[in-house]
Amino acid sequence: DAGVIQSPRHEVTEMGQEVTLRCKPISGHNSLFWYRQTMMRGLELLIYFNNNVPIDDSGMPEDRFSAKMPNASFSTLKIQPSEPRDSAVYFCASSSGRTDTEAFFGQGTRLTVV
Amino acid sequence: QQQVKQSPQSLIVQKGGISIINCAYENTAFDYFPWYQQFPGKGPALLIAIRPDVSEKKEGRFTISFNKSAKQFSLHIMDSQPGDSATYFCAASRVRDMRFGAGTRLTVKP
Repeated sequence: DAGVIQSPRHEVTEMGQEVTLRCKPISGHNSLFWYRQTMMRGLELLIYFNNNVPIDDSGMPEDRFSAKMPNASFSTLKIQPSEPRDSAVYFCASSSGRTDTEAFFGQGTRLTVV
Repeated sequence: QQQVKQSPQSLIVQKGGISIINCAYENTAFDYFPWYQQFPGKGPALLIAIRPDVSEKKEGRFTISFNKSAKQFSLHIMDSQPGDSATYFCAASRVRDMRFGAGTRLTVKP
């Protein structure tokens, strides 16, 4: 398996534009997590899914952020409209869903909003 | 709210020294405590993990010490090497919910 695949690796966009980040989890994993990493706040859990269903989205900063998981092999995180303070590295991770199993992270998407 | 608190934010250690990173958690429902290591430009990767039914776990130069009553756990890196320079995250997990500490940037000087 190629691991968790995120795209794009880098995204530069203008304030007010819509941004869509994509994630392909490891095949067979039924839990998927979206994290945001900044210098100030470290790794923040935004939302996680289990069996394609959002379980906890309390970490989503505001209504400008939305996430979907239409099937077991694909998830998106959308920001509309984007703002400069959204600039961060966004990670997707997947796991097999049991408590004591490893979460595998993608390479991340570095988002810059200018 | 920050469910896992990690310290220090940054740490500089001489080669061969011991690196110690501390974490504390609040929710007693957490039952799995992994440590992740992240190199620049990469995603975090699992380094070592412990369950609360043991007080210590050692893998090579890396040791987790766990104090359930104090709700604290720590990572010790013995004989630290320049290649250990990275950001380390502690985490606490329960049934598909994993929360991370803010991270510690470790620099090991040659």
